[in-house]
Amino acid sequence: AQTVTQSQPEMSVQEAETVTLSCTYDTSESDYYLFWYKQPPSRQMILVIRQEAYKQQNATENRFSVNFQKAAKSFSLKISDSQLGDAAMYFCAYRTANSGNTPLVFGKGTRLSVIA
Amino acid sequence: GAVVSQHPSWVICKSGTSVKIECRSLDFQATTMFWYRQFPKQSLMLMATSNEGSKATYEQGVEKDKFLINHASLTLSTLTVTSAHPEDSSFYICSARPPSGYATGELFFGEGSRLTVL
Repeated sequence: AQTVTQSQPEMSVQEAETVTLSCTYDTSESDYYLFWYKQPPSRQMILVIRQEAYKQQNATENRFSVNFQKAAKSFSLKISDSQLGDAAMYFCAYRTANSGNTPLVFGKGTRLSVIA
Repeated sequence: GAVVSQHPSWVICKSGTSVKIECRSLDFQATTMFWYRQFPKQSLMLMATSNEGSKATYEQGVEKDKFLINHASLTLSTLTVTSAHPEDSSFYICSARPPSGYATGELFFGEGSRLTVL
């Protein structure tokens, strides 16, 4: 079974600074998706960024970018120019690409605080 | 597009009663929906996979008689917590698999439902 590990329960960053959240995963599959989801106090799950495993290029969405190291099974999230609204729980998630009826597997999450 | 809605967003019930939570895909047909449970300050734990027109597949340790899942149409899955007890108090979130045209692997989430059992 696939597992996702987030080793940082809590992180903090100064406003306008950069922070990196770590994520590693374990799988024997070669074709899969990786995601970072944000969960603010409202608890709505918000997709931040996605990465297809077959793509070597790291995904980027505005201030958010990932460092995807397939061989090392690592998928870190970098938030640049941090804003107060970035404060939330961040979950790294894995999903196989081999079947359409499979769920997301989540890590335990990292709580990010942004200091003004 | 790809909007998923859950109802109710918050429900309080007495111990021993049953509570139904609805998960609807508003603008697409979802043959598969997933139900997750989230305890405070913890991650999302998969409870079951709900397939339209067939029985749900439950994760190990989840009581199927306690958490009844029905996926009777392509846009609606329901989770009924039967004979609820305080330990069932939690945040329940559904997610739906979008149509095959969404080649992104992404699942879409409802807003979640907070259950408090007194």
